[in-house]
Amino acid sequence: AQSVAQPEDQVNVAEGNPLTVKCTYSVSGNPYLFWYVQYPNRGLQFLLKYITGDNLVKGSYGFEAEFNKSQTSFHLKKPSALVSDSALYFCAVRDNTDKLIFGTGTRLQVFP
Amino acid sequence: NAGVTQTPKFQVLKTGQSMTLQCAQDMNHEYMSWYRQDPGMGLRLIHYSVGAGITDQGEVPNGYNVSRSTTEDFPLRLLSAAPSQTSVYFCASSYLEGGEQFFGPGTRLTVL
Repeated sequence: AQSVAQPEDQVNVAEGNPLTVKCTYSVSGNPYLFWYVQYPNRGLQFLLKYITGDNLVKGSYGFEAEFNKSQTSFHLKKPSALVSDSALYFCAVRDNTDKLIFGTGTRLQVFP
Repeated sequence: NAGVTQTPKFQVLKTGQSMTLQCAQDMNHEYMSWYRQDPGMGLRLIHYSVGAGITDQGEVPNGYNVSRSTTEDFPLRLLSAAPSQTSVYFCASSYLEGGEQFFGPGTRLTVL
């Protein structure tokens, strides 16, 4: 079955420290992977995507994600967290019917 | 461009009532979709459309109807509201099926 998992409900990090939000996936064929961010009372906003090519993908607001085929992972990273990065983050994978399957979300809390 | 717009932002219904959630986009996107967001469950696809006149069911279609008479509009109808339909509903559009999606701000629906 095709799926995406975000193993952490919440990630806490101090401002200025690096952050990682984890995502693993299960899909047949080559994966198309996405990260979205949701700020309170807002819709989801696209951050970045991986389709093919370089395993390190750079996106909006200084975020990047590393695709690891052997570990079937697509972790979201940022070298230096900001308090304003606090939000809900969703990983998604495109399934073999071209639909997006979303993870359950990880709440990132950045403390001053 | 306004992007993806949704109305209303909030709605309270009584069990058995019907209503229509409106969604419109001005990006000339062919693909549009409706999701519901529930705590701990991420986003689940309700219905989607790959173009005017074409709709199909997603993961959780029961109790909902859609139509797509124009490229711009994709309304979601609740036929007879139930408390289990209490949720936040998001409309999204993309240029291609399975591509980067643009989300509306959401409608928070409560069914009493």
